[in-house]
Amino acid sequence: DSGVTQTPKHLITATGQRVTLRCSPRSGDLSVYWYQQSLDQGLQFLIQYYNGEERAKGNILERFSAQQFPDLHSELNLSSLELGDSALYFCASSRSTGSYEQYFGPGTRLTVT
Amino acid sequence: AQSVAQPEDQVNVAEGNPLTVKCTYSVSGNPYLFWYVQYPNRGLQFLLKYITGDNLVKGSYGFEAEFNKSQTSFHLKKPSALVSDSALYFCAVSLYNFNKFYFGSGTKLNVKP
Repeated sequence: DSGVTQTPKHLITATGQRVTLRCSPRSGDLSVYWYQQSLDQGLQFLIQYYNGEERAKGNILERFSAQQFPDLHSELNLSSLELGDSALYFCASSRSTGSYEQYFGPGTRLTVT
Repeated sequence: AQSVAQPEDQVNVAEGNPLTVKCTYSVSGNPYLFWYVQYPNRGLQFLLKYITGDNLVKGSYGFEAEFNKSQTSFHLKKPSALVSDSALYFCAVSLYNFNKFYFGSGTKLNVKP
């Protein structure tokens, strides 16, 4: 158990809908990262927050957004969902950035039908 | 551009034999290098990292990796493979004071009894 929790574990929704994925980092970790893992594209970095502020953006679509709250939990919002958004979404946390390893949650499997 | 490459999609090895999973990187500075393992339907787990110092780093489950600056490589090794080592392995790189992590495409390790 990494100490990172993600909810829900599974999510099935229709195209065009909006969903919110939630992540609680390990106690004491200030950084939260979001990743998308699909079969054909591997692990894609989406976005990082550090102590409530956005720090880095990766290949995140404009339809996707995220935030980190004062209690350090984070939410990833996915809107206008398309079939291609079906994937595993992972949250990871770390003490800080750079040299600190990340601890991954169990992931949320999103299926868009 | 920063990048990390895992040239082998899959590595097959017999139980008891040594294993190597290859990783090369391209960064414009001194890298921080990481290895993660992913078991089926699980999040990634941190194995080991190189920050500075001794080029040979030891990690969890008997794994080790050697940082080679001249060859820009960070290969993962284990002297004697176990069937339970079968999993997907990811190499990752980041830079000092740089917030993005770059993950390789992953290498599937198959250890046969």
